[in-house]
Amino acid sequence: AQSVAQPEDQVNVAEGNPLTVKCTYSVSGNPYLFWYVQYPNRGLQFLLKYITGDNLVKGSYGFEAEFNKSQTSFHLKKPSALVSDSALYFCAVRGTGRRALTFGSGTRLQVQP
Amino acid sequence: GAGVSQTPSNKVTEKGKYVELRCDPISGHTALYWYRQSLGQGPEFLIYFQGTGAADDSGLPNDRFFAVRPEGSVSTLKIQRTERGDSAVYLCASSLTSGTTGELFFGEGSRLTVL
Repeated sequence: AQSVAQPEDQVNVAEGNPLTVKCTYSVSGNPYLFWYVQYPNRGLQFLLKYITGDNLVKGSYGFEAEFNKSQTSFHLKKPSALVSDSALYFCAVRGTGRRALTFGSGTRLQVQP
Repeated sequence: GAGVSQTPSNKVTEKGKYVELRCDPISGHTALYWYRQSLGQGPEFLIYFQGTGAADDSGLPNDRFFAVRPEGSVSTLKIQRTERGDSAVYLCASSLTSGTTGELFFGEGSRLTVL
């Protein structure tokens, strides 16, 4: 079985400050990890993924994520938050041999001006 | 098309009725997925197609749900005898590769409301 936990329902941060959205996972074999963003009444948009190699992955819109195998975590980060980053963020995992992505319950990011 | 297209965008039906939701994936994408997203929750996997065949239907909640992809492109999710608990946004996604490393590209979803 594969699962994802996003422990925070909501994260609040001031514009210009760094942000972190947390994600931990459980999977058999090697993990393939993904972050998606969802704006109101829109589909999910792919941000970045970790497959192998460098533990720090860079993605769209200045976001990055750090894979930590010992802590089974894949936290999403951005050095300087923008008001336009306010949205719903989903972490997802796929284990070896699986095709379906399993998503977390999502974290709402609110960036205040 | 440029992205994954889903129709209808909104569907309101009465309990007990039959519903079809359509997904047109990105051209050339061989893998197609259906997910269901209830309010305040993450997407929940329903079924995965590789080509014309359903490679993994372990997420379908019961036998009222069925999906087809007869020509390996467009897919239809079919729900019989709808129940109020079926109300959700149904998301379709496609992927270029059938492997485990490819990201999914999602459509904007079909919002189903069962009265």
